[in-house]
Amino acid sequence: QSALTQPASVSGSPGQSITISCTGTADDVGGYHYLSWYQHHPGTAPKLLIYDVNNRPSGVPDRFSGSKSGNTASLTISGLQAGDEADYYCNSYATGNTWVFGGGTKVTVL
Amino acid sequence: EVHLVESGGALVQPGRSLRLSCTTSGFTFEFHSMSWVRQAPGKGLEWLGFITAIGYGETAQYAASVRGRFTISRDDSKKAAYLQLNTLRADDTAVYYCARHDGMRFDYWGQGTVVTVSS
Repeated sequence: QSALTQPASVSGSPGQSITISCTGTADDVGGYHYLSWYQHHPGTAPKLLIYDVNNRPSGVPDRFSGSKSGNTASLTISGLQAGDEADYYCNSYATGNTWVFGGGTKVTVL
Repeated sequence: EVHLVESGGALVQPGRSLRLSCTTSGFTFEFHSMSWVRQAPGKGLEWLGFITAIGYGETAQYAASVRGRFTISRDDSKKAAYLQLNTLRADDTAVYYCARHDGMRFDYWGQGTVVTVSS
């Protein structure tokens, strides 16, 4: 199972919007609605941001949104804030009752 | 409040074994599947495997990269999950996390435990 493809880094200024892509195959991203996104500040526990493509757990601001088209999913962060600086990972359920992560994207707030 | 705490990480020599524990509180453990995920230095998150909840037979499934070397188990009476790591290699050096399943997502994670494989 190969890792999903994410850009290594994305940056933006405070208040701007950024989008992180996550590309897989028909055996993972394209084949299931079970796509989630995680925020990870190094040294801490990863945090669930989005699940089932476009759902937010309670407590996650609506500045975070998700979508999917075909084999590519996206996470959009609007109104970028300094505290959003972190690593972001997509994750998909995959054929064979397994899960696969993306390689991760480092978000920098300029 | 949901809590997951990993333990058992250590410095071990190549070829040796190690068992990691994930002790939990704040929820009905036996109703949730549990996954293990690791992050090697400078790398991204890697899903290792999971064990289903009691209602699904408490069966385990693994990533191809660790199948046959790693084993996941659980003890519902202790509200704990375990990851047995055998024949450890240098590239198993990582922070190991356990995560609770809620449906097909990992909704709570522990802080991780560090495994270093080196002679």
